[in-house]
Amino acid sequence: QVQLVESGGGLVKPGGSLRLSCAASGFTFSDYYMIWIRQAPGKGLEWVSYISSGSTHIKYADSVRGRFTISRDNAKNSLYLQMNSLRVEDMAVYYCARVSRSASGWPFDYWGQGTLVTVSS
Amino acid sequence: EIVLTQSPATLSLSPGERATLSCRASQSISTYLAWYQQKPGQAPRLLIYDASNRATGIPARFSGSGSGTDFTLTISNLEPEDFAVYYCQQRSNSITFGQGTRLEIK
Repeated sequence: QVQLVESGGGLVKPGGSLRLSCAASGFTFSDYYMIWIRQAPGKGLEWVSYISSGSTHIKYADSVRGRFTISRDNAKNSLYLQMNSLRVEDMAVYYCARVSRSASGWPFDYWGQGTLVTVSS
Repeated sequence: EIVLTQSPATLSLSPGERATLSCRASQSISTYLAWYQQKPGQAPRLLIYDASNRATGIPARFSGSGSGTDFTLTISNLEPEDFAVYYCQQRSNSITFGQGTRLEIK
């Protein structure tokens, strides 16, 4: 079955860095776009960044562009998010999710359980 | 950026009743709309994609409709496990989510 498992979250000071990972299994990882979505405590969902199957198409939300870098290693079935210059407003649960290939509207059909990033001094 | 506005913010109903949740887009998004359910402490779960197609394993009591700017998620005959927060999401222009509708037990 499809599984996505995030790791790498934790407590970091403002201005610090973290690298999140998402280990995928149960599907052909290299066939799918992947996305990072975050949710601040008690708030709604916000997309952060997505990457195409071959890493040729990458987009970032305005709120993280220039500070975060998405990447993937298809040989390791893994997705990454390098987060630099972290701000208090980046504090959230970060989810990785798979972008469905069988729909026009880009729904996210499988999600990981999320990893919490806390930014505090 | 396309803004998705969900209404109502909170919906209070009893098990067995019908829930009607709305999502309005600030401009036309064709049928590029999905609905998700999120329970406390859990990741969102895809319910509906392309406005009206149920995702794998989603019960038939969940249905979606609409196109253009106005969309509806209907949950008929509410079960206790349906009480959660629901989000709509579009990808016609970038990606945005609605702010959510909380469906609570009356």
